[in-house]
Amino acid sequence: SQQGEEDPQALSIQEGENATMNCSYKTSINNLQWYRQNSGRGLVHLILIRSNEREKHSGRLRVTLDTSKKSSSLLITASRAADTASYFCATGRGTSYGKLTFGQGTILTVHP
Amino acid sequence: DGGITQSPKYLFRKEGQNVTLSCEQNLNHDAMYWYRQDPGQGLRLIYYSQIVNDFQKGDIAEGYSVSREKKESFPLTVTSAQKNPTAFYLCAISRDSLQPQHFGDGTRLSIL
Repeated sequence: SQQGEEDPQALSIQEGENATMNCSYKTSINNLQWYRQNSGRGLVHLILIRSNEREKHSGRLRVTLDTSKKSSSLLITASRAADTASYFCATGRGTSYGKLTFGQGTILTVHP
Repeated sequence: DGGITQSPKYLFRKEGQNVTLSCEQNLNHDAMYWYRQDPGQGLRLIYYSQIVNDFQKGDIAEGYSVSREKKESFPLTVTSAQKNPTAFYLCAISRDSLQPQHFGDGTRLSIL
C-alpha cells in the first residue's frame, strides 16, 4: 500500500521561483526520505530526516517533518530548469528498517 | 548510478516465459532491494535482502523470485505466474538497512 501521499501531483513554476512539495503518511515512521527521479532513470537520494528531527537543510533543499501531523514538506529554493523531475517521499517503517514505502510523487516542471 | 548496474535496459517477455533481470553492485553494500514502478506511480517493494543467503518478501512478491548467493548480485526472476509484468524494475542498494538507498537505472520489461 502507498503510505506517502504527495501534494500536489504536478507543479509548474518559472526558474528562480521556490517549489514546495508536501507528503503525508499514515503510520509511525523512523525516518522520511526524499528522492528525485529524472524521466526513465533511477531514483537519486536527496535527503533523509529522522523522526526526532524537525528540519534539515542541504544546499537549496529544506525539509521539514511534523510527526504530530504526519506530514513533511520539501522546499527547493531558487529553482532551475535542471530541477525538472519527479520527486518522491519515502517512509521508513516502525520496526522494519530498510523497508521504504513510496508515495506517488510530484512532477515538477521548471520553465526557463 | 556508479557502482550499481542493472541489465538489460530493455527486456521483452513472451507468454509463459520466465525472464531474469540482473542487478550487480561493487560497493560492498549489504542490503539490496527490488522495486516495481508502474506509469505515474511510486515504487512498490518486491523483495529485499539484508545479507547473503537471506531475503524477504516485500509488498508484491507473488509471481517473482530472487536469490542472493553472492553479496554483489541480487537477480530477480519474473515468472510466468506474474500475469501483469509490464513495468519499470528498479534495483537499489544500501550500506545497511538504516541508510539511504542508491538506485540503478532500471530495466523496462514489456510483453511481446
